Amino acid sequence: AQSVTQLGSHVSVSEGALVLLRCNYSSSVPPYLFWYVQYPNQGLQLLLKYTTGATLVKGINGFEAEFKKSETSFHLTKPSAHMSDAAEYFCAVTPLGGGYQKVTFGTGTKLQVIP
Amino acid sequence: DTEVTQTPKHLVMGMTNKKSLKCEQHMGHRAMYWYKQKAKKPPELMFVYSYEKLSINESVPSRFSPECPNSSLLNLHLHALQPEDSALYLCASSHPAGAGYEQYFGPGTRLTVT
Repeated sequence: AQSVTQLGSHVSVSEGALVLLRCNYSSSVPPYLFWYVQYPNQGLQLLLKYTTGATLVKGINGFEAEFKKSETSFHLTKPSAHMSDAAEYFCAVTPLGGGYQKVTFGTGTKLQVIP
Repeated sequence: DTEVTQTPKHLVMGMTNKKSLKCEQHMGHRAMYWYKQKAKKPPELMFVYSYEKLSINESVPSRFSPECPNSSLLNLHLHALQPEDSALYLCASSHPAGAGYEQYFGPGTRLTVT
């Protein structure tokens, strides 16, 4: 069974500082990996995803993530935090395979940006 | 148009009421989903529709009844709910219900059961 762990339920950074949100997955075969963001009282929005190919994935709003198979990680980074980045971030995985594959979400990391 | 819309935005209902949540997408997606999200938790899958047919029911109580009238619309009928059913209900859609396809989420309906 697959699982995903997000280290740190709350992360605080200063405006302009590096953002690093950690995600590790547990799966016998590297899964498909996603990062979603949820702003207060809104639905989830896809930031980026990894399926195959280049392991460094660039997403929206200046975010990127690197798939590291040896570390079973898919950490999310942004070089310079902006106040508008304050939100809840969810890492998610689905196993490979045809047809519907259930999405497993991590428990989420709330990012606080301090002015 | 990459938007999933949900109505109403907020809903307060008593335990004896019957109400419905509505979700609509015009992206040509053939898979649609209902999720329930409690505060400070990730979304929990409730139902999956694929090509207008119910393909997944995550053992959801029968007081929640989904319906997919056509490929663009998804409803969730509510009856005799309990206070613990209060949550944010999210609708999502994707191209086929396949593993590599990201889901597009609506803004949700905030449901309060009194």
